Amino acid sequence: EDQVTQSPEALRLQEGESSSLNCSYTVSGLRGLFWYRQDPGKGPEFLFTLYSAGEEKEKERLKATLTKKESFLHITAPKPEDSATYLCAVTSFNTGNQFYFGTGTSLTVIP
Amino acid sequence: NAGVTQTPKFRVLKTGQSMTLLCAQDMNHEYMYWYRQDPGMGLRLIHYSVGEGTTAKGEVPDGYNVSRLKKQNFLLGLESAVPSQTSVYFCASRATSGRAPDTQYFGPGTRLTVL
Repeated sequence: EDQVTQSPEALRLQEGESSSLNCSYTVSGLRGLFWYRQDPGKGPEFLFTLYSAGEEKEKERLKATLTKKESFLHITAPKPEDSATYLCAVTSFNTGNQFYFGTGTSLTVIP
Repeated sequence: NAGVTQTPKFRVLKTGQSMTLLCAQDMNHEYMYWYRQDPGMGLRLIHYSVGEGTTAKGEVPDGYNVSRLKKQNFLLGLESAVPSQTSVYFCASRATSGRAPDTQYFGPGTRLTVL
């Protein structure tokens, strides 16, 4: 069964203090890995899709990278508005229509 | 362009009652999904649909039924609610082609409490 593990569960950063969130996965035939942001009381919002090891995507202060076993979401010089829960999900060629989500990392950026 | 909308936003049921959650999307997406989100469990797939008139079971389908009579709507039914179905329910849709065929677009969620 496809599995996704995210760490840490929670992360508190000072404004401007860069860090990384981890998403490790066990998938037979990875087809895609996805990062979402979720604000309290709202639905997940898409950030990035990564399809192959070595691929990188960037958006403002966020950068997602992918290896054969894990993905990192790097946050550079975060601001308080980056506070949210970040979710990772995978889909495989075996279960192409289904997506498996991790439990998320709750990020708090302190001014 | 409203994206994905869900009705209702909140609901409280008593054990044994039934209800239907409605999901609507205006993006002409083929695929639609129902998830539940519980603390410490992440998003888990209940049922999904790859097109009008078709549905399939996900990870946690027991106690739920779905229907996709129209392409833009995906209904989730609880025939006899139990307290373990207390959760936040999210609907999502995705395209099968174009710039981002795997991107799921989520609705705002329905918070359901079963007493």
